Amino acid sequence: QSVLTQPPSVSAAPGERVTISCSGITSKIGNDYVSWYQQLPGTAPKLLIYENNKRPSGIPDRFSGSESGTSATLGITGLQTGDEADYYCGKWDSSLGAAVFGGGTKLTVL
Amino acid sequence: QVQLVESGGGVVQPGRSLRLSCAGSGFSITNYGFHWVRQAPGKGLEWVAMIWYDGRKRYYVDSVKGRFTISRDDSSNTLYLQMNSLRAEDTALYYCARDGSSVSLAVFDVWGQGTLVSVSS
Repeated sequence: QSVLTQPPSVSAAPGERVTISCSGITSKIGNDYVSWYQQLPGTAPKLLIYENNKRPSGIPDRFSGSESGTSATLGITGLQTGDEADYYCGKWDSSLGAAVFGGGTKLTVL
Repeated sequence: QVQLVESGGGVVQPGRSLRLSCAGSGFSITNYGFHWVRQAPGKGLEWVAMIWYDGRKRYYVDSVKGRFTISRDDSSNTLYLQMNSLRAEDTALYYCARDGSSVSLAVFDVWGQGTLVSVSS
């Protein structure tokens, strides 16, 4: 089974920039792009980034995505206390015929 | 307002069955694929199943193959997850999610609030 690996936790101060990595992207068949999701405490996940680096309507440009080789990265600039949440990467793995998620990263804004 | 609302969760004994529903509102589910994603208490997200926009293809995580069935009824704008032979490890909050991508699969652009399934004797 494809496994996407994320750091369990990251932290930074308000106003700073943080990055969250997602490694182990071994399947790049066709258009198997990475998406990123934010899950605030007690709520459903929310789509932040899709197709590696695109933002849905309403997502501020403080959030960005990139992909290189077998890893993807979520970047968040101008950190706010309201950004404290769990962040997940995910993608479709055509070789498996299944979707996979990373284990999630808890962001703490100090 | 585009919305997904799950229902059907509850407490069930191991080996029994449960059917989850996911009603779409504010949009037509026709032309969209859908997924079920679950989250065990205090754990991360786990993808469970997907059904294509036309229902022709269905995919499942290995741990539920042969036990769970995803289906859709476009006339009632509703998705379903039939869960048989439930196990303790199926205990989780179950979300339905719309697949909003036109390029690749598994872009979950709309999520429901989740319905809780607890498997316990």
